[in-house]
Amino acid sequence: EPEVTQTPSHQVTQMGQEVILRCVPISNHLYFYWYRQILGQKVEFLVSFYNNEISEKSEIFDDQFSVERPDGSNFTLKIRSTKLEDSAMYFCASSRVETQYFGPGTRLLVL
Amino acid sequence: GESVGLHLPTLSVQEGDNSIINCAYSNSASDYFIWYKQESGKGPQFIIDIRSNMDKRQGQRVTVLLNKTVKHLSLQIAATQPGDSAVYFCAENRQGAQKLVFGQGTRLTINP
Repeated sequence: EPEVTQTPSHQVTQMGQEVILRCVPISNHLYFYWYRQILGQKVEFLVSFYNNEISEKSEIFDDQFSVERPDGSNFTLKIRSTKLEDSAMYFCASSRVETQYFGPGTRLLVL
Repeated sequence: GESVGLHLPTLSVQEGDNSIINCAYSNSASDYFIWYKQESGKGPQFIIDIRSNMDKRQGQRVTVLLNKTVKHLSLQIAATQPGDSAVYFCAENRQGAQKLVFGQGTRLTINP
């Protein structure tokens, strides 16, 4: 059964550093998403991406964040200058239409 | 705005019993709802979905009920098994929007 995959599973970085989180969505899906989950809290939407452009974003997704689909299979989330409060699980999801399927997540720890 | 708490509602049931997990959603314009299961250290796993033109949908051992009048969603799990222990989230989607809005989550524990 096709799955969303994410790398790395864990990332530790220093405050102010740039990180790139990577995702491979399910191959025939058209919509791609990033969500985050701060420890013990609910999952929060960051951004959706369709037809090579951002289609919707939340207020969390400020200028420090960017997304890219550099080739036909990868979907990335870049955080330009990490802050302590960016520490969270980051989930990639994809959908063909509405039903979103999530990857296993990347645990980001900013020190 | 939405309140964000650090304490999940919890539900403990005996193995083999049925469980019902409830969710109140906030947006009357939402027309698509999904239940996800999240095990520790993993991503949300799709369980079942329902559209607003239905009030009940059944899957394997799971049933979702939707009451649009009171904006309430429930997930019934029949004959619970130890592997059902997880946090369960409801999520809502408004027509025309792509983001899912997740609920607070309920931690289900299955006791042997």
